[in-house]
Amino acid sequence: EAQVTQNPRYLITVTGKKLTVTCSQNMNHEYMSWYRQDPGLGLRQIYYSMNVEVTDKGDVPEGYKVSRKEKRNFPLILESPSPNQTSLYFCASSLSRGAAKEQFFGPGTRLTVL
Amino acid sequence: AQKVTQAQTEISVVEKEDVTLDCVYETRDTTYYLFWYKQPPSGELVFLIRRNSFDEQNEISGRYSWNFQKSTSSFNFTITASQVVDSAVYFCALRRGANNLFFGTGTRLTVIP
Repeated sequence: EAQVTQNPRYLITVTGKKLTVTCSQNMNHEYMSWYRQDPGLGLRQIYYSMNVEVTDKGDVPEGYKVSRKEKRNFPLILESPSPNQTSLYFCASSLSRGAAKEQFFGPGTRLTVL
Repeated sequence: AQKVTQAQTEISVVEKEDVTLDCVYETRDTTYYLFWYKQPPSGELVFLIRRNSFDEQNEISGRYSWNFQKSTSSFNFTITASQVVDSAVYFCALRRGANNLFFGTGTRLTVIP
């Protein structure tokens, strides 16, 4: 089944404790992206990647890191989480950067930073 | 600058009523794409439709229809004969750049049985 998976789905952590949210897709998609969803703000892009070893900042990159060492994986790293990073996070992928294909979203990761 | 406005934060309708969700966008691009996504209470994001700027034909898919008007920069979504299962948050989005989506703030639709 074609899908985008995220792990963990739920995470409660404390300020300053490094964490990684994994994202993996099995559709051989070139493009991958991370969004955060906050009440009243919709989804905002954190980082995106056009292909392996190519990443770029979105609208709200502060406090986050990403890497794209393999095509299928695009982990989101919070080196020193803070309470304002409490949010619902979505990973997304799509086939090609130029074709305006719809993005497929993962199930979301709900993160709480205490 | 790109912008997507969904002025309706929350809408409640009684089952079987029709409802229209508004989406107004701003962009300087001549070629662009608009999307609608549905987020049911379970939380996942479900793709509903993609429309490019050169195609102003309205589209109908079952009880769903979309009205794209470049003259008013609007891409409205109508649900006919609403059902409880339509209760969700609906997001309008504008593609910008290579493949990045800029989302509106969403409209929460509640269909009352």
